[in-house]
Amino acid sequence: GQQVMQIPQYQHVQEGEDFTTYCNSSTTLSNIQWYKQRPGGHPVFLIQLVKSGEVKKQKRLTFQFGEAKKNSSLHITATQTTDVGTYFCAGPNRGSTLGRLYFGRGTQLTVWP
Amino acid sequence: DAGVTQSPTHLIKTRGQQVTLRCSPKSGHDTVSWYQQALGQGPQFIFQYYEEEERQRGNFPDRFSGHQFPNYSSELNVNALLLGDSALYLCASSFRGQNQPQHFGDGTRLSIL
Repeated sequence: GQQVMQIPQYQHVQEGEDFTTYCNSSTTLSNIQWYKQRPGGHPVFLIQLVKSGEVKKQKRLTFQFGEAKKNSSLHITATQTTDVGTYFCAGPNRGSTLGRLYFGRGTQLTVWP
Repeated sequence: DAGVTQSPTHLIKTRGQQVTLRCSPKSGHDTVSWYQQALGQGPQFIFQYYEEEERQRGNFPDRFSGHQFPNYSSELNVNALLLGDSALYLCASSFRGQNQPQHFGDGTRLSIL
């Protein structure tokens, strides 16, 4: 079956350092979505990338979708304590329009002041 | 504009019992998906309901069943509970189940003793 893998599983950084998490799918994705889940909370949608090679930025966050639409990355510049949480990538299979998402295991980010 | 609401927030059951979880989608959404999130894992797709029918199903046994009502709200039923069913159950809504961002509720924390 389809698998979505994320590395690293955990990342501890000092405030102000950069952070990157990587996502790889065993199959081609229709699109890639990123979610953030704060401790004790629920996943909250951050962004969706659709096109091969697409790059999008949200303030200090940069998202990239690979050329083969099988991998993606999220980079945070100059982390802040508010960035704490688990970041998940997720995507539906290529050709699927039914919206089932395959989630990675997530990268848990800890930021200490 | 109400978001996705789930009830109850917490539930404690014993092995062999049955449980029903409820979800009301975000206003304007007509598709409900259910996910199971074990501790330290990403959400795992259980099934999706659209137009009162189960449209997609993940790798979950028949003990997991659901229903969608004409007002788009949904229920998740789990029979013959096992210890391994302990998890956070998340409901997510979208419009027509297409490859759009999922809006998640706060979830129901189910503990099996």
